[in-house]
Amino acid sequence: QVKLVESGGGVIQPGRSLRLSCEASGFSFNRYGMHWVRQTPGKGLEWVAVTWSDGSNAEYGDSVKGRFTISRDNSNNTVHLQMNNLREEDTAMYYCARDLGHASTWPTNWLDPWGQGILVTVSS
Amino acid sequence: VLTQSPATLSLSPGERVTLSCRASQSINHYLAWYQQKPGQAPRLLIYDASKRATGIPARFSGSGSGTDFTLTISSLEPEDFAVYYCQQRATWPPLTFGGGTKVEIK
Repeated sequence: QVKLVESGGGVIQPGRSLRLSCEASGFSFNRYGMHWVRQTPGKGLEWVAVTWSDGSNAEYGDSVKGRFTISRDNSNNTVHLQMNNLREEDTAMYYCARDLGHASTWPTNWLDPWGQGILVTVSS
Repeated sequence: VLTQSPATLSLSPGERVTLSCRASQSINHYLAWYQQKPGQAPRLLIYDASKRATGIPARFSGSGSGTDFTLTISSLEPEDFAVYYCQQRATWPPLTFGGGTKVEIK
């Protein structure tokens, strides 16, 4: 079955960098766009980024643009989120999610399924 | 901006539930609904306003277009008590979510 497993989270000081990974299995990874979404108790769900199935393009949410980079390794069925210059407001549970569609490289932007999430805490 | 109402609903099993999601501008039919239970990731229920995702029971249905959307659960099952979020893809980036509606046991 489809499985997404996030890793790389933890406690990190403001201004530092962290790299999240999401290992996928149970489907043809190179046919699907992949997203990162984060969730905090105060701000709810916030979409972070998407990468096209072939890695040719990516889009970002406004609050992370210029600091975060999404990338993928289709040979290892993994998507990454490189987070630089972290701020306390980046503290959240981070989920990777598969895009619903695979008919084209352009994502449908419906997210299904989601991984179990990984916690990132930015604190001095 | 997506606005969900009410913030909380207190209901009993077997009741019919109607959740609302209102967009600040027309988003055609580009809306999805997700369910999230405590300690779990969200799960896609409905996309394109009315299409059920794979494996979603028929008691879940979605309707609406433009700015007003509804998720209906025809008869609440015990496992349906959760938080429900709407999400739009009409104007992106970014994809955006509503603030959620919690359906709790009365």
